[in-house]
Amino acid sequence: GDSVTQMEGPVTLSEEAFLTINCTYTATGYPSLFWYVQYPGEGLQLLLKATKADDKGSNKGFEATYRKETTSFHLEKGSVQVSDSAVYFCALFVGGTSYGKLTFGQGTILTVHP
Amino acid sequence: GAGVSQTPSNKVTEKGKYVELRCDPISGHTALYWYRQSLGQGPEFLIYFQGTGAADDSGLPNDRFFAVRPEGSVSTLKIQRTERGDSAVYLCASSSTLGARPSYTDTQYFGPGTRLTVL
Repeated sequence: GDSVTQMEGPVTLSEEAFLTINCTYTATGYPSLFWYVQYPGEGLQLLLKATKADDKGSNKGFEATYRKETTSFHLEKGSVQVSDSAVYFCALFVGGTSYGKLTFGQGTILTVHP
Repeated sequence: GAGVSQTPSNKVTEKGKYVELRCDPISGHTALYWYRQSLGQGPEFLIYFQGTGAADDSGLPNDRFFAVRPEGSVSTLKIQRTERGDSAVYLCASSSTLGARPSYTDTQYFGPGTRLTVL
C-alpha cells in the first residue's frame, strides 16, 4: 500500500537556521506529493506541492523537490522564523481507484526560538 | 470566502454513546473527505463523497462509523456505541473536482476539526 515516512521530531532550531525535514514515500502508482502545515490552533493548510519527478514546489520560502529515484520529497528553508513554528505533514496523492485520498506521514513538530 | 467549518469544535462523550459530527464544505465543492487524526499521528482517510454518494468508504474502521451527505453539501459523520479508542480529531476537507474523479490539481481544503473525547 501507499505510505509516507517523515523524519522523527520534534525539531528545535534558532531563528535564521537552515531547515530540512526528510520525507520518503512508497506508492503503488505515480503519486503527487504535498507538504501541509498546521499552525497552533489552526487547520491543515497546503504549503506546497509537486506533481511529477524533478518538479520543485515552493511557497513562503519553503522548497521541496520531487525525487523519484530516491522516492523523497524533503522540505527545506534557508532561514526559519519564529512564525514557522508548526507541525509539518508530508503527504501523497495517487489518482485513479484511490479517489484522491491523501496519505499522510506522522508529522514533524518544528519549534523555532528567537 | 468562508472556508470549511466543522461543528462542534470539541465533543466529550461517554463510552457507548452515539455522536454526530458535522462538516460544512466550501460552497460549490463537490468532493468531501473525512479523515481521523490520532494524537501524534498524521490524518488517516475515512471516507470520500462525490456529490451525495460515498464513492470510497474503505477507511471506515468498522460498522459503528457511518457518514451521509444527503444534499451534496453538508456531511455528518455518525459514530455509534463510541469506544475510548475513537478519541481523536476528526477532520473534514473539501475540493472542487472538475472531472469524474479527483485530480492532483484539486487542492483539499481542511476544516479546523472536531476533537472527540470518549471517557
